[in-house]
Amino acid sequence: DVQLVESGGGLVKPGESLRLSCAASGFTFSTYTLNWVRQAPGKGLEWVSSISPNSNSKYYADALEGRFTISRDNAKNSLYLQMNSLRAEDTALYYCAREGYNFNDYWGQGTLVIVSS
Amino acid sequence: DIQMTQSPPYVSASVGDRVTITCRASQGISHWLAWYQQKPGKAPRLLIYAASRLQSGVPSRFSGSGSGTDFTLTIGSLQPDDFASYYCQQANSFPLTFGGGTKVDIK
Repeated sequence: DVQLVESGGGLVKPGESLRLSCAASGFTFSTYTLNWVRQAPGKGLEWVSSISPNSNSKYYADALEGRFTISRDNAKNSLYLQMNSLRAEDTALYYCAREGYNFNDYWGQGTLVIVSS
Repeated sequence: DIQMTQSPPYVSASVGDRVTITCRASQGISHWLAWYQQKPGKAPRLLIYAASRLQSGVPSRFSGSGSGTDFTLTIGSLQPDDFASYYCQQANSFPLTFGGGTKVDIK
């Protein structure tokens, strides 16, 4: 079975950094585009970033203003999101998702990031 | 950026009702649209992809239609398990964007 398990969330102060991880299993990790999607408390879904299977292409939401970096390690079946200069508005549940047929067909359960002083 | 406008934001309906949710893209996206269902405390679940293709395991009472800028998700006969929030998402171009969501509540 396809599984995506996020980790690395927590409570941080504004301006601090955090690195999220997503461990994948049950599929050929190196052949899929992967996405990070977030959801602020009580709000809708917001796409954050995408990375191609070979890491050659990376895309980011404009609102991130270059503070986040997506990466992957195909040897470890892992996806990452390095988040720097965190702001209160980055508080959200962060999901990793596998992209099949150009759409997110499997999602993890999310890891919660809270940015607060 | 492509804006996705979803309506209505709330639907109050009864078991057995037919429910229709619409999503409009600010520019043409061909068939590059998905619908997701999300229940409280759970991750989103892909229901429909490529505007009208039913994801494996999804009940046939869910259907999607449309192309270009106007899309529809229909629940043919609402079941108790269907009370949830629904989101559309375009995959035509980056940045990927979601609609604001529709919450389907019990009347």
